Amino acid sequence: EVQLVQSGVEVKKPGESLKISCKGSGYIFTSYWIGWVRQMPGKGLEWMGIIYPADSDTRYSPSFQGQVTISADKSFSTAYLQWSSVRASDTAMYYCARLDGIYFDFWGQGTLVTVSS
Amino acid sequence: EIVLTQSPGTLSFSPGERATLSCRASQSVSSSYLAWYQHKPGQAPRLLIYGASSRATGIPDRFSGSGSGTDFTLTISRLEPEDFAVYYCQYYGTSTGTFGQGTKLEIK
Repeated sequence: EVQLVQSGVEVKKPGESLKISCKGSGYIFTSYWIGWVRQMPGKGLEWMGIIYPADSDTRYSPSFQGQVTISADKSFSTAYLQWSSVRASDTAMYYCARLDGIYFDFWGQGTLVTVSS
Repeated sequence: EIVLTQSPGTLSFSPGERATLSCRASQSVSSSYLAWYQHKPGQAPRLLIYGASSRATGIPDRFSGSGSGTDFTLTISRLEPEDFAVYYCQYYGTSTGTFGQGTKLEIK
């Protein structure tokens, strides 16, 4: 059974660093791109970027380029999304999902990130 | 950059009715790269349709997708209570993707 399990709720203060994770199981982790999707409170889904764990090839949506870093550790079948300095505007639910060619077929449960002073 | 526009933002229907949701692309796209998702509060999004018209595994046949070029449609033939949710179209091309802003299907 394909599963993507994300790390838990995060509460951060502005300016702090943050790294959230997404662990894949039930399939060959290095054979599929993994993507990250943001949903801000009361808003829609936003494509952030994708990574190919086999070689860490990463593609960012223009809106997120330079704002976050997507990485992966194939040894642990885990993808990451990180910020060097979070802002209040980063408050959102973040989903990881497996990209089967052109669409996301399996999704993580989401990680809620709250940034507040 | 392709922009997907879903309108209207909210649709109201009664169970048993037929619902048609629209997704318009800012320029012509290959239907192979168009997908639809259902998203309910507190849950992860669920893939419904890929390649504009192919149902994902386990998706009931009351869900169907169609369209080409710039205009795509998701149709729910007979609404069940569990179908009231937010629906997103999504396009993937040239190494990145984009979602429409979503259409909320609410109970009338």
